[in-house]
Amino acid sequence: AQSVTQLDSQVPVFEEAPVELRCNYSSSVSVYLFWYVQYPNQGLQLLLKYLSGSTLVKGINGFEAEFNKSQTSFHLRKPSVHISDTAEYFCAVSEGQAGTALIFGKGTTLSVSS
Amino acid sequence: KAGVTQTPRYLIKTRGQQVTLSCSPISGHRSVSWYQQTPGQGLQFLFEYFSETQRNKGNFPGRFSGRQFSNSRSEMNVSTLELGDSALYLCASSFKPALNNEQFFGPGTRLTVL
Repeated sequence: AQSVTQLDSQVPVFEEAPVELRCNYSSSVSVYLFWYVQYPNQGLQLLLKYLSGSTLVKGINGFEAEFNKSQTSFHLRKPSVHISDTAEYFCAVSEGQAGTALIFGKGTTLSVSS
Repeated sequence: KAGVTQTPRYLIKTRGQQVTLSCSPISGHRSVSWYQQTPGQGLQFLFEYFSETQRNKGNFPGRFSGRQFSNSRSEMNVSTLELGDSALYLCASSFKPALNNEQFFGPGTRLTVL
C-alpha cells in the first residue's frame, strides 16, 4: 500500500533562515505529489504540486519542491522563511490504486521565531 | 469565486447520537471528498462523490456515510457517535475526480463527542 512519511514532526527555525521539510513516499507506480499548508483553525491550502515534467516545482509564498524518483522523495524548501510561515505542512500523494484519494503524511509543524 | 463552505463549523454531541455535516463545493465543481483529521491518525480519506455517486471509500466503519445532491452539495452522516469520532472533518472539492485535479479544501467542521 502506498504511504507517505514526513521525516520531521517539528522543525524550529529562525526568521530569514532556509528550511527543508522532508517527505518520502512509497509507491511502485507513477504518482502525483502535493504539499499543503494548514494554518490554525483553517483548512488546507495547496502550496505546490508535481504532476509530470520538470522535477523542480515552484509554488506559492516562495516555496519549491524537488521530485526525486530514485529516492522516492519530494522535499519542500524555502530559502528564507518568515514568521507568517509558521503552520503545519502536509505532503500528500495520489495514484490510481486509491482512486483520487489523497494519502497524507502525518504533517510537519514549522515554527519560525525571530 | 466563493470557496468551499462547510456547516456547521463547530459541533458538540454526546456518545450514541448521530450527526450530519454539510459541504458546499466551489461553483462548477462536481467532485466532493471528505477527510477526517485527528491528532493521532492524521488526515484520513473517508469517501468521494461525483455526480451523486460514491466513487471511492476509505477504511471507515459503516457508521460513516455520505451522499451528494444534484447541485453537488454533499453531506456526511455519522451514526452512534463514539468518543474517537471527535475530529476535524474536512471537505474538498474538485472540478472532476481525476488524479491530477487540485482539491480545494473547506475550513472544516470540528466535531467534539462527549
